[in-house]
Amino acid sequence: GAGVSQSPRYKVAKRGQDVALRCDPISGHVSLFWYQQALGQGPEFLTYFQNEAQLDKSGLPSDRFFAERPEGSVSTLKIQRTQQEDSAVYLCASSLLRTGFTDTQYFGPGTRLTVL
Amino acid sequence: GESVGLHLPTLSVQEGDNSIINCAYSNSASDYFIWYKQESGKGPQFIIDIRSNMDKRQGQRVTVLLNKTVKHLSLQIAATQPGDSAVYFCAENMEGNEKLTFGTGTRLTIIP
Repeated sequence: GAGVSQSPRYKVAKRGQDVALRCDPISGHVSLFWYQQALGQGPEFLTYFQNEAQLDKSGLPSDRFFAERPEGSVSTLKIQRTQQEDSAVYLCASSLLRTGFTDTQYFGPGTRLTVL
Repeated sequence: GESVGLHLPTLSVQEGDNSIINCAYSNSASDYFIWYKQESGKGPQFIIDIRSNMDKRQGQRVTVLLNKTVKHLSLQIAATQPGDSAVYFCAENMEGNEKLTFGTGTRLTIIP
C-alpha cells in the first residue's frame, strides 16, 4: 500500500519568506509526527497530532513554526520568516494508535528545505 | 543524492560478513526501542523493534539485543549485502509519550 508522502521534496526559500510543507500520512493512521533532521544528525521531534488534535508541540523551535491537521488526515508544517538555521530535512511520520501500545512510526521521504 | 551524516561514526564490513551496530540510549524509563535504516535522500525505514520486557528479538537477517542494565542496544545484521549500506539510527520511546528520541547514527559501508 501507499506509504507516507511529502511535498515538495525540495524547497529553496529566500531568508524571510514563508514556506508550507505538506504531509499525507498512511490511510487510517491516527497519529502524525513532524521531525527536523539537520545534516549529520538524527531526526529531532517537532510536534505530534492525534487525529486533528495537536497534543504535543514541545519541539517546535520558535513561534515561527506552526503545524496543523484540520481534518485529521493531511498535515501542513508552516515556517514563517524563514532563517538560515531552518535549513534541514523535515520528516513526517504516521502510526496507528492502539490502546496501551506504542506503535511503529513510518516515515515519509522528507522535504529538504534550503534557506538562502 | 543528499548525504545523510557527514561526520557520523562509521563501520566498514566485507560483503557476506556479519555486522554489529551499537547504541547507548539515554533514558532508563524508555520501554520501546526501534532501529531505522536511512539511505541517502530517503526517510528512515523501520527495520526492527523491541520492547523492554524482552532482551532479544530476531527478524530476517537482523537481530536486536537490549541490555537494560547498561542502557545498551545493538543491531546485528547477518550476511551483509551491498544494499545494507546506509546510516542506522536507534530510537527510544517512553510509554505515555509518543515521540521518538533518536541516537546519533552509524554509517555502515559494505565493501564488495
